Amino acid sequence: GENVEQHPSTLSVQEGDSAVIKCTYSDSASNYFPWYKQELGKRPQLIIDIRSNVGEKKDQRIAVTLNKTAKHFSLHITETQPEDSAVYFCAAESGNTGKLIFGQGTTLQVKP
Amino acid sequence: DTGVSQDPRHKITKRGQNVTFRCDPISEHNRLYWYRQTLGQGPEFLTYFQNEAQLEKSRLLSDRFSAERPKGSFSTLEIQRTEQGDSAMYLCASTLLAGEETQYFGPGTRLLVL
Repeated sequence: GENVEQHPSTLSVQEGDSAVIKCTYSDSASNYFPWYKQELGKRPQLIIDIRSNVGEKKDQRIAVTLNKTAKHFSLHITETQPEDSAVYFCAAESGNTGKLIFGQGTTLQVKP
Repeated sequence: DTGVSQDPRHKITKRGQNVTFRCDPISEHNRLYWYRQTLGQGPEFLTYFQNEAQLEKSRLLSDRFSAERPKGSFSTLEIQRTEQGDSAMYLCASTLLAGEETQYFGPGTRLLVL
């Protein structure tokens, strides 16, 4: 069935360092890959997304890369700040329904 | 408020009781999705609507679960004869049709079944 694997499950970095989270997906028909940030007790918030017709997208300190051949995509956060601490989820759209298949999440801790 | 809203935000119930949750999507959003999230996991798809039509239901959605979107605006999710395993956060998301895939999530309803 459809599946998204996300690694690592936890990530601890020093403030100012970079953080990288990686995901692989199984549905070759997926064309849309969003990343959500979820703080404790709050709703998932979209931080960046990428569509299959591009290989990389950047928004200030956040970037996402996509390799459709290998079916994996990654989130890169540069110059991390303590307020970046949260759980990050990758997701892949399944077919043309729009439903999202989520990874298991990565808990990012940025130490001041 | 132009965001997705959900009601109630918290619900505590006893095993065997029925509960109903409501989701109000962003105005004019055609698609509405329900997800369930348990502690330490990513959201899992339950079902979705395009306008008032329910187009897909996950195998996670047992026959104790039913969802409606009668007028193509708000949606309700009902769980009958709740079980302790139903305890989770129930999230609603909406998106505009026609190529706009971005899903905007509501704050969720946290259900605790005792």
